[in-house]
Amino acid sequence: DTGVSQDPRHKITKRGQNVTFRCDPISEHNRLYWYRQTLGQGPEFLTYFQNEAQLEKSRLLSDRFSAERPKGSFSTLEIQRTEQGDSAMYLCASSSSGTEKNIQYFGAGTRLSVL
Amino acid sequence: DAKTTQPPSMDCAEGRAANLPCNHSTISGNEYVYWYRQIHSQGPQYIIHGLKNNETNEMASLIITEDRKSSTLILPHATLRDTAVYYCIVRVIVGANNLFFGTGTRLTVIP
Repeated sequence: DTGVSQDPRHKITKRGQNVTFRCDPISEHNRLYWYRQTLGQGPEFLTYFQNEAQLEKSRLLSDRFSAERPKGSFSTLEIQRTEQGDSAMYLCASSSSGTEKNIQYFGAGTRLSVL
Repeated sequence: DAKTTQPPSMDCAEGRAANLPCNHSTISGNEYVYWYRQIHSQGPQYIIHGLKNNETNEMASLIITEDRKSSTLILPHATLRDTAVYYCIVRVIVGANNLFFGTGTRLTVIP
């Protein structure tokens, strides 16, 4: 257990529905990342927060995706009008800007299946 | 960040050393080599990182060539629980830059 929690672990939804995932980072970490991983591929970066500010977004993050980190603690990732291509593992990671190693610690992920 | 090249898969006998290679010929002077692994259905796990000197921790050893264009991750006594996909990542150590994972090496430890 890395200390990064993600909820739910699994989500099955029908095409066109909205889904929301939650990530609770390690408490003292001010940086939070979202990645997406499809079968057979490595994780791909989606977006990054430092405290409550969303500082970077990948071109993979379409307009249907939105992420928030309202108080600089937990974060949510919402996908609107889901498509079958959104089926993937969504991973959250956190790190601290106060350490020299700059290690990202990952949660176990949320597996989304869009039917 | 510089890109890396890894073999898609490797086998290793249980109890033997697993040596996982990585090529990073375009690495810059301020880029570190990081290794992560991902066991099935789990998130990636940090293993080790280094700049130019060899590094060792409780999980593994990292050997970086003198020209820094390649490196090898060594698991000294592989166990079945080491079966995973291993990712070699090159990145600067400062800043909040994301990790570029590539497709990694699938290591299978055989009983």
